[in-house]
Amino acid sequence: GQNIDQPTEMTATEGAIVQINCTYQTSGFNGLFWYQQHAGEAPTFLSYNVLDGLEEKGRFSSFLSRSKGYSYLLLKELQMKDSASYLCAVMDSNYQLIWGAGTKLIIKP
Amino acid sequence: GAVVSQHPSWVICKSGTSVKIECRSLDFQATTMFWYRQFPKQSLMLMATSNEGSKATYEQGVEKDKFLINHASLTLSTLTVTSAHPEDSSFYICSGSRDREPYEQYFGPGTRLTVT
Repeated sequence: GQNIDQPTEMTATEGAIVQINCTYQTSGFNGLFWYQQHAGEAPTFLSYNVLDGLEEKGRFSSFLSRSKGYSYLLLKELQMKDSASYLCAVMDSNYQLIWGAGTKLIIKP
Repeated sequence: GAVVSQHPSWVICKSGTSVKIECRSLDFQATTMFWYRQFPKQSLMLMATSNEGSKATYEQGVEKDKFLINHASLTLSTLTVTSAHPEDSSFYICSGSRDREPYEQYFGPGTRLTVT
């Protein structure tokens, strides 16, 4: 079956760095996405990785290792507004998104 | 660009009635639209995928006669929840993708449905 695993909840301090991991097992691979979702709102796109390596976009970076079925989202200089759920999703061979359950990130002052 | 709107943003209805949710791509043509449902503290669950002008493809376990999806144009898709029950109360989110970017979905703001 298809499976996406990510931690349920993480806590970090304002100004610090946090890494959210995601491992996956899917039927085919057409890219891995990270989305941010604030409570009661729809997800917003953060990053897309289809090749191995690190993609940096401002305070957020995303890493992919296809051979290991592994990705992480790195958030630097954490701000209170970064408190949200972070969803890892993999696009399978049918271009269908398989979603993880999300990691709730709590930022403390 | 690539903005998707949903209407209504929230709705309360009585058990047994039907509710229609609209999803519009405002500045692009969405060849494919997706409907998701999300229960509290859970991830998104894909309900169905629809291409303009053709019947929707429903995920296993989703009743196509209960959740009617129409994708009549490249900018509009509707989801009708027929004979709603309290267990249908959820957050419904649509997304659209373009032909040249099948890997990227643009999400609407979601519709909170409460069935009493």
